[in-house]
Amino acid sequence: EVQLVESGGGLVQPGGSLRLSCAASGFTVSSNYMSWVRQAPGKGLEWVSVIYSGGSTYYADSVKGRFTISRDNSKNTLYLQMNSLRAEDTAVYYCARDPPGTGVFDYWGQGTLVTVSS
Amino acid sequence: DIQMTQSPSSLSASVGDRVTITCQASQDISNYLNWYQQKPGKAPKLLIYDASNLETGVPSRFSGSGSGTDFTFTISSLQPEDIATYYCQQYDNLPPLFTFGPGTKVDIK
Repeated sequence: EVQLVESGGGLVQPGGSLRLSCAASGFTVSSNYMSWVRQAPGKGLEWVSVIYSGGSTYYADSVKGRFTISRDNSKNTLYLQMNSLRAEDTAVYYCARDPPGTGVFDYWGQGTLVTVSS
Repeated sequence: DIQMTQSPSSLSASVGDRVTITCQASQDISNYLNWYQQKPGKAPKLLIYDASNLETGVPSRFSGSGSGTDFTFTISSLQPEDIATYYCQQYDNLPPLFTFGPGTKVDIK
């Protein structure tokens, strides 16, 4: 059974850092494209970043230069390192699987809440 | 960047009604259009991929159609468990960019 479990969210001050984790089971992270998608309170969905099976990484303009996506193949886990956090980064962050080349998010985690506030 | 619009932003319908949501892309996206259902407090769930393909396990009352810039999502007979917000999503691969529509909130009248 495919499962994605996020962790690492919490309250952080503006300018601070946080690292989110997404532990996968039932499939191999490194064989898929994996994305982070976020949702601000009461708002819609916003794609944040993707890491390809080959290791290439891409980011939304809103987080470029501040966030870094990575994975640990030995732990079958996806990460999102978030630096220089701003109030507008407050959101539930979801990890999602995207079978290579499809552009389809077929499995999602339950989400982890990040709150940026002083 | 490709922009996605959805209409209506919300709707209220009776159980058994046919519900239709439209999604429009700012430029031709072929059939690279997916539909998701999100219930309050839950993660989104894939319903339709590549404009018209029903994801495994999704009830057949859900359907999608369209290509190019104009797409339609239909619930043929609204059920109480269909109360949710529905999002369309397109995919660009050069460079990769995933764009969601603003969502349509569906309620029971």
